[in-house]
Formats: sequence, C-alpha cells, structure tokens
Amino acid sequence: EAQVTQNPRYLITVTGKKLTVTCSQNMNHEYMSWYRQDPGLGLRQIYYSMNVEVTDKGDVPEGYKVSRKEKRNFPLILESPSPNQTSLYFCASSRGQPLYEQYFGPGTRLTVT
Amino acid sequence: AQSVTQLDSQVPVFEEAPVELRCNYSSSVSVYLFWYVQYPNQGLQLLLKYLSGSTLVKGINGFEAEFNKSQTSFHLRKPSVHISDTAEYFCAVSTGRRALTFGSGTRLQVQP
Repeated sequence: EAQVTQNPRYLITVTGKKLTVTCSQNMNHEYMSWYRQDPGLGLRQIYYSMNVEVTDKGDVPEGYKVSRKEKRNFPLILESPSPNQTSLYFCASSRGQPLYEQYFGPGTRLTVT
Repeated sequence: AQSVTQLDSQVPVFEEAPVELRCNYSSSVSVYLFWYVQYPNQGLQLLLKYLSGSTLVKGINGFEAEFNKSQTSFHLRKPSVHISDTAEYFCAVSTGRRALTFGSGTRLQVQP
C-alpha cells in the first residue's frame, strides 16, 4: 500500500530535549516536505526537499533541521524544542514539484512543556 | 509572494443543502490552485486541482471548483452535502517552484 508513515504519532517532551520525528514514503517520490498545523493558521511549510541531499527552507524553518540522505526518508529534528513548537506536524511527499498530488502522513502531535 | 485567504473559518449547513467554501488568492505570477480535505484525526488528501485549461474543475466526492482569474478566486462547491462531508477544507496555491501555500482552513459542519 502506498503510504507516508510518521513516528511517533504522539510525543510529549520537555524544553531543550532533542527529538527526531521520522518520515518515510514507499512511493519513490522525489519531493518531500514538512508542515506544521496550528489552529487558525492552516499548514505552514517548515522545510522541503526536491531530492536526495537537496533541502531548502520553507516559511517557518527556525528551530528545525532536516536531512535527506535516502530518497524514502526525511526526518525532522528539533535540537532544542521550545513550547512554541507545540503543534501538529505533517510530512508529505509527491512525485515532483508540488503540482503533483501531495500524499500526507497521519500527523505527529507534539507537546513541549 | 503568494497568499491564500479563506473567508469563512466555519460553515454550518444542513444535510442535502448546497454549500460554497470561498477562497481568494494573491500572487504576482501565474498560479496553480488546489483544495485539500482533512477528515477528523487524519492527514490531508487532495480533492481537486486547477493547473490549466477549463476553469471548472471536478473533484472527488461530488465537489467542484471554479477558477476565476479576474476575481482571483477558487471557490469550492457541492450541490448537496452529506454528513460524511464534515471535515476541514484547505485551499492552497503554488507557483510551481516551491511547496504549497495553504489557507487557514474552513471547517464544514453538516447537520442532520
């Protein structure tokens, strides 16, 4: 089954404790992206990757890091999480540019206390 | 830079009634437009998209949208809604070079 998987689905952590949210897709997609969803703000792009070893900042990259060492994986790293990073995070992938349908993962709900 | 405005944060409607969810965009270049739907506790899935050609676009689940370049709008419509259409709907725009820019979402609440 074609899908985007994220882990963990739920995470509660404390300020400053480094964490990684994994994202993996099995569709051989070149394009992957991370979004955060906050009430009243819709989805905002954090980082995206057009292909392996190619990443770029989205609209809200501060406090986040990503890497794309393999085509299928695109982890999101929070080196020192803060409470304002409490949010619902989605990973997405698509065949190429965003003109193609983006397939979204189920989301990761992160709470930073 | 591009931006998207969804004019209604919530739209309550009775089952079998028609509905229109409004979306306006702003961009200095040509755009591509999308509607995504998010059912409770799920990720987003594509409803429909406009890339070029006919300005009336049909999507899944009986939804359609019309691209109006002069009014910079891309409103989503359905002639008769069902309870199962209760979800949050996001309009999004892309210039083709980067990812999508999403609107803030419209929560459609279908009542029996």
